[in-house]
Amino acid sequence: EPEVTQTPSHQVTQMGQEVILRCVPISNHLYFYWYRQILGQKVEFLVSFYNNEISEKSEIFDDQFSVERPDGSNFTLKIRSTKLEDSAMYFCASSWGSSGANVLTFGAGSRLTVL
Amino acid sequence: ILNVEQSPQSLHVQEGDSTNFTCSFPSSNFYALHWYRWETAKSPEALFVMTLNGDEKKKGRISATLNTKEGYSYLYIKGSQPEDSATYLCAFIPQQGGSEKLVFGKGMKLTVNP
Repeated sequence: EPEVTQTPSHQVTQMGQEVILRCVPISNHLYFYWYRQILGQKVEFLVSFYNNEISEKSEIFDDQFSVERPDGSNFTLKIRSTKLEDSAMYFCASSWGSSGANVLTFGAGSRLTVL
Repeated sequence: ILNVEQSPQSLHVQEGDSTNFTCSFPSSNFYALHWYRWETAKSPEALFVMTLNGDEKKKGRISATLNTKEGYSYLYIKGSQPEDSATYLCAFIPQQGGSEKLVFGKGMKLTVNP
């Protein structure tokens, strides 16, 4: 069964460093997402991406965050200057159609620890 | 602020017991509801997308119902097995002009003892 793959599974970084989290969504999916879960809290939406542009972003997704789909297969999340509060599990997801009628397929997550 | 609540937060049952849990969401602003099953160290796995009031969906021993007028969905597991142990997440999509955003509950952790 097709799956969404994420790398790295765990990354430890120093505050202020740049981090890139990578995702390979399912090949025929058209919608791409990043979510995160801070330990003990709810899973929260960061950004959705469709037709090669951001379609929606949350208030968390400030200028420190960016997404790219550089080559038609990878979907990356970049955090320019990490803060302690960015420590979380980051999930990539994709769907064939709009989330209003289609489930999302999630990756297993990338755990980011900012020291 | 959109809030999605799940109850109970955790449940321990014996193998063979049937379980049900609740997801509450804002009834005035409904577009769709998702259910996911999430085992530790794995990806959240989709169970259902529900859009219509009165919807009932079934996947093996797991079923779900939806009441958009009163703002809740029930998830039932009939005859729980140890492999059903997981966190069950519901996620609500508000009616918000093309929004793709899922608003998640905190999840319900189910432990099924053999």
